Amino acid sequence: NAGVTQTPKFQVLKTGQSMTLQCAQDMNHNSMYWYRQDPGMGLRLIYYSASEGTTDKGEVPNGYNVSRLNKREFSLRLESAAPSQTSVYFCAGQGPNRQETQYFGPGTRLLVL
Amino acid sequence: AQKITQTQPGMFVQEKEAVTLDCTYDTSDPSYGLFWYKQPSSGEMIFLIYQGSYDQQNATEGRYSLNFQKARKSANLVISASQLGDSAMYFCAMRESLQETSGSRLTFGEGTQLTVNP
Repeated sequence: NAGVTQTPKFQVLKTGQSMTLQCAQDMNHNSMYWYRQDPGMGLRLIYYSASEGTTDKGEVPNGYNVSRLNKREFSLRLESAAPSQTSVYFCAGQGPNRQETQYFGPGTRLLVL
Repeated sequence: AQKITQTQPGMFVQEKEAVTLDCTYDTSDPSYGLFWYKQPSSGEMIFLIYQGSYDQQNATEGRYSLNFQKARKSANLVISASQLGDSAMYFCAMRESLQETSGSRLTFGEGTQLTVNP
């Protein structure tokens, strides 16, 4: 039982390059989330998926797209990376009940030059 | 809109002593949840404790307890018998239900860096 896993752990991109951050969970979570964490700040929600086949924008969605491939996997794509997207990205999963805790993956550190 | 405020950027405590990390919140949602997460220097987010808005008793999890004062809109984390391994960033977060879906989002405070001294 790995919980929530993310790949890669670390990535360096040049401005304008694209990449996809992968997230998978084996906790049977219905809802999955992508957050970003900037220095000195808490996490901010980028996109979320309340259930398989649905996705919705969070607080800071600009410059990102997501895909809920199946119940286990939720990917985040940067189509044209910008230095402002340098951050640590966290994926999280949550069970079917709204009161349930969100459990986080280990994070992906992204540096855009 | 929800808001979480952590007014202590940094806190210091001696090993084996208790420490309180402050968190105040603001929401118009009558049903909400409050969470504390620990983020060590390795970077992962570790869930510590949860308090629901309708819970009558303060939540406890081992050495962690949550001092929930609903009228004051505060949800302070108390760590008893501090250990060196407790040195980390601590985030308070509030759950907001997303009405149009069955999901919810967390709104985070800016965190408190706790240092436990030997």
